[in-house]
Amino acid sequence: QITLKESGPTLVKPTQTLTLTCTFSGFSLSTSGVGVGWIRQPPGKALEWLALIYWDDDKRYRPSLKSRLTITKDTSKNQVVLTMTNMDPVDTATYYCAHGVVPGKFGYWGQGTLVTVSS
Amino acid sequence: DIQMTQSPSSLSASVGDRVTITCRASQSISSYLNWYQQKPGKAPKLLIYGASNLQSGVPSRFSGSGSGSGSGTDFTLAISSLQPEDFATYYCQQTYNTPLTFGGGTKVEIK
Repeated sequence: QITLKESGPTLVKPTQTLTLTCTFSGFSLSTSGVGVGWIRQPPGKALEWLALIYWDDDKRYRPSLKSRLTITKDTSKNQVVLTMTNMDPVDTATYYCAHGVVPGKFGYWGQGTLVTVSS
Repeated sequence: DIQMTQSPSSLSASVGDRVTITCRASQSISSYLNWYQQKPGKAPKLLIYGASNLQSGVPSRFSGSGSGSGSGTDFTLAISSLQPEDFATYYCQQTYNTPLTFGGGTKVEIK
């Protein structure tokens, strides 16, 4: 049974760095073809893909946010971490992590975590 | 970036109706197209992958297709007989290349 869960702060101040952790079970990020992605959804808006890390450490980022994003994995801990620098109120959203299979099919999702950016 | 345009943005339908939602890509994406269902306050759920493959556990009233002309740009999600639990927002997603992009969503409401 594959499960994922996001954790991190619910409130960050503008200009701060956001660090989100995705802790998963039921699969290994060492398995060929497997990846973990991050997707966000501002309140009342559509889904927006942010980043994806694959089993072979290949990393992909949303170009418009690439300078602010870093995705890493810790295979031994079954965790993927996303950092986003210089947070702004427009980054207020629910952030999801998801199990991805090449080329980006997200079959399993975490419950999501709402991050509010406000002073 | 490949733009994904869904239509309509919302629709009202009755239980038992056949419903279709379309998704158009700004360039050919072959069959690299997935469909998701999202209910309020919940994470999206994968329904269809590879344009026409039903995800395990998804009811067979859901189906996906690409345009018959083989353009690789036009796709359809169909619900053959709408059930009460199908009222939700539906998103298409292209996985042809990165950045992965989603459509703007189609909200299916009760008439």
